[in-house]
Amino acid sequence: AQKVTQAQTEISVVEKEDVTLDCVYETRDTTYYLFWYKQPPSGELVFLIRRNSFDEQNEISGRYSWNFQKSTSSFNFTITASQVVDSAVYFCALSDYFGSGGSNYKLTFGKGTLLTVNP
Amino acid sequence: EPEVTQTPSHQVTQMGQEVILRCVPISNHLYFYWYRQILGQKVEFLVSFYNNEISEKSEIFDDQFSVERPDGSNFTLKIRSTKLEDSAMYFCASSEWETLSNYGYTFGSGTRLTVV
Repeated sequence: AQKVTQAQTEISVVEKEDVTLDCVYETRDTTYYLFWYKQPPSGELVFLIRRNSFDEQNEISGRYSWNFQKSTSSFNFTITASQVVDSAVYFCALSDYFGSGGSNYKLTFGKGTLLTVNP
Repeated sequence: EPEVTQTPSHQVTQMGQEVILRCVPISNHLYFYWYRQILGQKVEFLVSFYNNEISEKSEIFDDQFSVERPDGSNFTLKIRSTKLEDSAMYFCASSEWETLSNYGYTFGSGTRLTVV
């Protein structure tokens, strides 16, 4: 069974601080995808990143960076120089993968981390 | 950027009534999904749909729920007799065949269902 744990329920920082959101996952699959989504107060799910299990390279996109470590089953997300607009709930998610011939990317979400960035 | 479109954005219904939530997936996607998020909780998988049939469903997706792709573009979720605990945000999503591009798994903006 798939499981995603986001141990931090809420994080509060002051603007310009760096913040790291933790994500630990469990899966028996050797091939899988990991995702991060942002959910602002308006409620929609905003895609941030997808990473497949073959690729352990860290990724940086502007102020966002992701650290994927297969050895510890973690996929952590860091926001550098946080801004008030970063305030949202952030979800980590894991997809199972049924391989070729019909892929069904059901996502298993963590419970989310509420990030509040104060001015 | 391609989008998944959901209507309505908010629906209020009386307990026991039937509701239909509508979604227009991205046109070249082949897999369609419904997820549910009860207020303040995590997003939970309900059902996936491929080739005009359900490919997987969760324990939440009981006989009160059904899905349909009536016309080749819309994808609907029907709740036959709503209960108070069905109040939630319902997200539609679609994905591509086998490989996922950056837009390969896209969520709609959600329908907030309130059962009174």
